[in-house]
Amino acid sequence: AQTVTQSQPEMSVQEAETVTLSCTYDTSESDYYLFWYKQPPSRQMILVIRQEAYKQQNATENRFSVNFQKAAKSFSLKISDSQLGDAAMYFCAYRRFIQGAQKLVFGQGTRLTINP
Amino acid sequence: DVKVTQSSRYLVKRTGEKVFLECVQDMDHENMFWYRQDPGLGLRLIYFSYDVKMKEKGDIPEGYSVSREKKERFSLILESASTNQTSMYLCASTKVGGPQHFGDGTRLSIL
Repeated sequence: AQTVTQSQPEMSVQEAETVTLSCTYDTSESDYYLFWYKQPPSRQMILVIRQEAYKQQNATENRFSVNFQKAAKSFSLKISDSQLGDAAMYFCAYRRFIQGAQKLVFGQGTRLTINP
Repeated sequence: DVKVTQSSRYLVKRTGEKVFLECVQDMDHENMFWYRQDPGLGLRLIYFSYDVKMKEKGDIPEGYSVSREKKERFSLILESASTNQTSMYLCASTKVGGPQHFGDGTRLSIL
């Protein structure tokens, strides 16, 4: 079964600095998707970035980028120039297909604090 | 924009009650999901549905059931609520191949 592990329950960073959140996963599949979701205090889960496993190039969305190491099954999120609005719970997720539906398997989450 | 609406933001119920959590999406998505979120455990899938009247168990279905009579609506039912079902419940929907869109969550307390 696929599992996703986030080993950092909490992280903090100074405003304008760079922070990296870690994620590892376990799977026997060769083609899959990985995601980072953000959950601010408003509780709305927001998709931050996605990575397709067959693509070697790391995904980038503005200040957010990933370091995808397929052989090591590692998928870390880098946030550059951290802003106060980045404070949230961040979840790493793996997508698999079953019965025609795409299911997400989530990590435990990392709470990110931004210090002004 | 995709809108996934959960009927209640906060809900307080008593042990043994039958509880209904409702979720509606407005984008004609085929797939809908119910998760529960607990500190240190992330989100865990309770049930999902890939079409009207079709449902499949997720990773933690015990104590729950679901109903999907119409494409836009997916209901989670706690047949006899217990205190260990106190949690945050999140609904999501997706078109096949697309990203999941989440509702704002229902914080359910069972007293």
